[in-house]
Amino acid sequence: GAGVSQSPSNKVTEKGKDVELRCDPISGHTALYWYRQSLGQGLEFLIYFQGNSAPDKSGLPSDRFSAERTGGSVSTLTIQRTQQEDSAVYLCASSFAGDTEAFFGQGTRLTVV
Amino acid sequence: GEDVEQSLFLSVREGDSSVINCTYTDSSSTYLYWYKQEPGAGLQLLTYIFSNMDMKQDQRLTVLLNKKDKHLSLRIADTQTGDSAIYFCAERSRGGKLIFGQGTELSVKP
Repeated sequence: GAGVSQSPSNKVTEKGKDVELRCDPISGHTALYWYRQSLGQGLEFLIYFQGNSAPDKSGLPSDRFSAERTGGSVSTLTIQRTQQEDSAVYLCASSFAGDTEAFFGQGTRLTVV
Repeated sequence: GEDVEQSLFLSVREGDSSVINCTYTDSSSTYLYWYKQEPGAGLQLLTYIFSNMDMKQDQRLTVLLNKKDKHLSLRIADTQTGDSAIYFCAERSRGGKLIFGQGTELSVKP
């Protein structure tokens, strides 16, 4: 595709439910990143995938958060038993390995009610 | 660990220069970046500098890097109202991870 695609663009869920957020990176990009942006906050690093290497999960805030990247392409961020503090915009980015620029998707706005 | 710090707000008058500052902690950073986020829009790369450079100029933008002090700045000359946005500083570690600061909200008053 032309850019990084994220779906859904908006998601409203009830507290306690599980959600899955999807990211389609730019074709050929080996690096993929997930970030969280809460209202008025910066970009909080969540997880980083690079090729076939073990992902850097050091930013995941709790064990309710997990992410997968299948076939080195599409990635899914899963949040189990959602809490109100999980409400935020979740941003995905991708790049070529070692490249200077990471391209961002438009994000998924998650609202937990 | 990696950490990037920025001041949260900056207000300038149209036509003045804006200087946005950033400090980082990872001395092994390979690249340092400035991203721009306009209201309701995604993040876009504005400019970047390789860690062995001191300065980079691109039209109205000047990036200064003080590697000894781990200090990065972005100067926007002749700031326009269209420059109003949130500016994020970011560092790329040798492992490839990108770490962002909290963002500086630039407000340009006519």
